[in-house]
Amino acid sequence: SAVISQKPSRDICQRGTSLTIQCQVDSQVTMMFWYRQQPGQSLTLIATANQGSEATYESGFVIDKFPISRPNLTFSTLTVSNLSPEDSSIYLCSVRTTGELFFGEGSRLTVL
Amino acid sequence: SQKIEQNSEALNIQEGKTATLTCNYTNYSPAYLQWYRQDPGRGPVFLLLIRENEKEKRKERLKVTFDTTLKQSLFHITASQPADSATYLCALDPTQDATDSWGKLQFGAGTQVVVTP
Repeated sequence: SAVISQKPSRDICQRGTSLTIQCQVDSQVTMMFWYRQQPGQSLTLIATANQGSEATYESGFVIDKFPISRPNLTFSTLTVSNLSPEDSSIYLCSVRTTGELFFGEGSRLTVL
Repeated sequence: SQKIEQNSEALNIQEGKTATLTCNYTNYSPAYLQWYRQDPGRGPVFLLLIRENEKEKRKERLKVTFDTTLKQSLFHITASQPADSATYLCALDPTQDATDSWGKLQFGAGTQVVVTP
């Protein structure tokens, strides 16, 4: 199993600013995943973050908008840049161990 | 295109009855399928994984079936309790990787279950 801590749990940001979300895992993991969950919708994978290499982004997501860092095997950050109201969502980090995904509690972002 | 479809309407059920949820998929050939539970304001929590060569999997009051011919999984909650009220998500690995080493999952939109006393 894995315990994942995300910060902040929620934030309200102004249009045009950026928000960085931190994800800390209690064990070393090779891959970490960042998901977005827009209101009333399911989870959409943003990118996969591997330690020591650039993140791999899914279709529709670009590094300039969602830069990711992965400095070590227990930590990652996701930045949501140049915020617009459409970025209002819950952002979740997750890791996989023996089969299933473990998720953090999510970071709820509201953009005004 | 690949799709994962779950009933969008909430399932309202009386305590003690069996809740049955459906997950249909198209243009996937998954090696396995997973089910998660999500409570409001929380991240999803893993419940069950069923592989393509397994017809049925059970865990306590939960049962999952997997029909690769119909491209469908059914999720059953037997003897349902108000504490089972949540949204249930099915998830597939689109890369057809059977080794459990990749981890890139795509999720259905989920079905909300409401169990009333």
